[in-house]
Amino acid sequence: DIQMAQSPSSLSASVGDRVTITCRASQGISSYLNWYQQKPGKAPKLLIYAASSLQSGVPSRFSGSGSGTDFTLTINSLQPEDFATYYCQQSYSTPFTFGQGTKLDIK
Amino acid sequence: EVQLVDSGGGLVQPGGSLRLSCAASGFTFSTYWMSWVRQAPGKGLEWVANIKHDGSEEYYVGSVKGRFTISRDNAKNSLYLQMISLTVEDTAVYYCARERVLTGSYFSDDYWGQGTLVTVSS
Repeated sequence: DIQMAQSPSSLSASVGDRVTITCRASQGISSYLNWYQQKPGKAPKLLIYAASSLQSGVPSRFSGSGSGTDFTLTINSLQPEDFATYYCQQSYSTPFTFGQGTKLDIK
Repeated sequence: EVQLVDSGGGLVQPGGSLRLSCAASGFTFSTYWMSWVRQAPGKGLEWVANIKHDGSEEYYVGSVKGRFTISRDNAKNSLYLQMISLTVEDTAVYYCARERVLTGSYFSDDYWGQGTLVTVSS
């Protein structure tokens, strides 16, 4: 199975900040990488697919980049509603494994 | 509007069985892959299984192979997860999700159910 490692595990930031979350795959996965946002008690929400494509309806302050083994999710100008937990997921081969998550909270 | 409604969770003893259901509406169910993803209390997401639109292919995470079976009834717009030989490690919220597949076999879960809690405890 492909292992996904996110860093950091947690992150504190302020409204208006720019933050970057990193995801590393245990082997090359081309651009088969998704990012999800999850708020407490809610189902995850797809933000980015195919490493850099923005899901319909997701604000443009979210962006993704990377290919191969190293990927990043960047959030520009953090908004109050962005404080949540973020997960990467590889869809290169089954099982489609997730990273352990990055919890983003308010500084 | 796409809707996925998960049901069937509950309390079950170790070694017991449970069948989860997911009722889909608002899209052509028979043309989409579907998946189950779970989340243990306070933990991260774990992909469990998926099934092709016509039911001809199924894939599982290793920890549930031989114990869980994903299935679907396209006539009823429903997805199922039959779980047997449950252990305390299977305690989690189980979500069904629609797997969108784009050109190049790019899979992503674009719609999710609300989740149903399975608690395995004596």
